[in-house]
Parts: sequence; structure tokens; C-alpha cells
Amino acid sequence: DTGVSQDPRHKITKRGQNVTFRCDPISEHNRLYWYRQTLGQGPEFLTYFQNEAQLEKSRLLSDRFSAERPKGSFSTLEIQRTEQGDSAMYLCASSHPGIDSNYGYTFGSGTRLTVV
Amino acid sequence: AQKVTQAQTEISVVEKEDVTLDCVYETRDTTYYLFWYKQPPSGELVFLIRRNSFDEQNEISGRYSWNFQKSTSSFNFTITASQVVDSAVYFCALGAGSYQLTFGKGTKLSVIP
Repeated sequence: DTGVSQDPRHKITKRGQNVTFRCDPISEHNRLYWYRQTLGQGPEFLTYFQNEAQLEKSRLLSDRFSAERPKGSFSTLEIQRTEQGDSAMYLCASSHPGIDSNYGYTFGSGTRLTVV
Repeated sequence: AQKVTQAQTEISVVEKEDVTLDCVYETRDTTYYLFWYKQPPSGELVFLIRRNSFDEQNEISGRYSWNFQKSTSSFNFTITASQVVDSAVYFCALGAGSYQLTFGKGTKLSVIP
């Protein structure tokens, strides 16, 4: 397993369009996280899945954002009616629910979204 | 609420100098975890270290060392004999009370040859 994969690496879209990103976690990891990182800032938590259940959502996740993890494997993050303020790096991470796994994230390389 | 402050926005050092990156955190939880991540220009976050709140022992890993002081809520990171490959943005992060991490704004380190 080569780690957490995110697709696409880069996405340029026009304001108002919908975009969808995909994250493939490490296969034995049942926890999956989405973070958003804007320029000059640290990553900010968006949402968290344990298997297929979405257990936490940040206030940052407006109604235009939706995340899914069908069957508890890969996850998608969709942004509807994109706005310029959505331009950011979207990071996915996964972790294993082992005894010493507290916050033992592995991050993907991210999807950089530019809304023009 | 959790908070992480990295007061140094950017630091420049000449190669082989030592450099310390500061991190101050706030949490009301008694059990928490502290992290440092490195983010090179390629963008991925590279895990460097995790410490839990019950282990205040300082740690050394090669040229890297970490100083955890609960009395001052600080978790500072020192690179000894810096190298150009150390140039990156470094993030301190806190995990407490839930599975999410709270990150600082990062410190951009430039090591000049």
C-alpha cells in the first residue's frame, strides 16, 4: 500500500461550478478525515468518518459541502456552487484504530482547488 | 476550545546554524497529544513526532529535538546544524477531546546555503 491517495492533484474551476474530490485511504485504516488549508494557514478540520459513518462535521462545512464514504472505503468531498473563497488545498488523512493510534494520521498529498 | 500559536511566521538561517521553532498551546483537557509536521513545497504533511500530555521527556531524533514543558504549555522544536533540505513550513498541532487536530499557522523555515 502506497499511502493515502487523492485525486485530482489540481483542479481549476469556474465560480458556480460543482467539483468532487476523491480520497483513497490506506486499506486497513477505518478512520478518514478531511481538512482544508488556505494559503498561509494551517490545515483546518472539516469532517471525520469512522467506516461509512460521518461522526464529526466542522462549522466550516457549509451546506454547499458534502462528504461521503460509501462502504467505508474511499471518500468523496463535493463542493456545490463553488465560490472564490473555496480556493484551498483539501487534505485527506486516514488512521488505524489500534491501541496506540491516537491521531496517528497519514496525510495524502492534497487536492489544490482554484476557483476563478 | 483548543488553540495552537506559532508566533514565528518566517525564519531564515544560514546552513549549519541551529534553529528553534516555538509552539504554545491551549487546552482544558488533561489528556492531549502534541505533534509536529513538516510541509515541503510539494504539499504533503510529513509526520515528525507525537507526544502525549503525560510524557514530558524531551526527545532527540538525529538533528531534531523537542522540548515539551507543561508549565509553560510549550512544545518547541529545535533543528541542529540545519541543512537546505530542512527548508519547509513546519506545523505544530494539538489533539484533545475528539479525533480532530488543531493546527497552528505554521512557521516557514528557509535555510540558506
